[in-house]
Amino acid sequence: AIRMTQSPSSFSASTGDRVTITCRASQGISNSLAWYQQKPGKAPELLLYAASTLQTGVPSRFSGSGSGTDFTLTISCLQSDDFATYYCQQYYSYPLTFGQGTKVEIK
Amino acid sequence: QVQLVESGGGVVQPGRSLRLSCAASEFTFSSYSMHWVRQAPGKGLEWVAIIWFDGTNKFYADSVKGRFTISRDNSKNTLYLQMNSLRAEDTAVYHCARDFGNIYDYNPRGWFDPWGQGTLVTVSS
Repeated sequence: AIRMTQSPSSFSASTGDRVTITCRASQGISNSLAWYQQKPGKAPELLLYAASTLQTGVPSRFSGSGSGTDFTLTISCLQSDDFATYYCQQYYSYPLTFGQGTKVEIK
Repeated sequence: QVQLVESGGGVVQPGRSLRLSCAASEFTFSSYSMHWVRQAPGKGLEWVAIIWFDGTNKFYADSVKGRFTISRDNSKNTLYLQMNSLRAEDTAVYHCARDFGNIYDYNPRGWFDPWGQGTLVTVSS
């Protein structure tokens, strides 16, 4: 199975900050990567797919990049609604696998 | 608005069985592949299984292979997960999720949108 590793596992940030989360695959996955946001007690929601394609309705402050084994999720100007846990997921091969999550907390 | 509503969770003893259901509405259920994804309390997400839109293909996570069976009834717009030989480590919220692709792609895209709210399964004696 392809192992997905996110960093950091958690961090604190302030509203207005630019934040970046990294996701690394244990082998090349082309651009077969999705990002999700999950708030406490809620189901995850799709943010991006194909590494950099923004899902309809997702604010443009979210962006993604990368290919192969290294990927990033960037939030250009953190809003109060963005404090949540973020997961990357590869769909290059089965079994589909997720990163362990990155929790973004209020500083 | 697309809706996925899971049911069937509860407390069950180790070694016993449970069947989860996911009722779909406001989209053409028979045109989409479907997944189950679980989340242990306080932990991350773990993909469990996928079934093609027409039920012809299924894949499972190694952790559940041989114990869990995914199925669907397109006439009832319902997805199922039959869970046998349950273990303590199967304790989790189980979400159903629609695959992003549809019948015109034939093969699933492999990412999930949307997700249901989930149903909690607790395996404990």
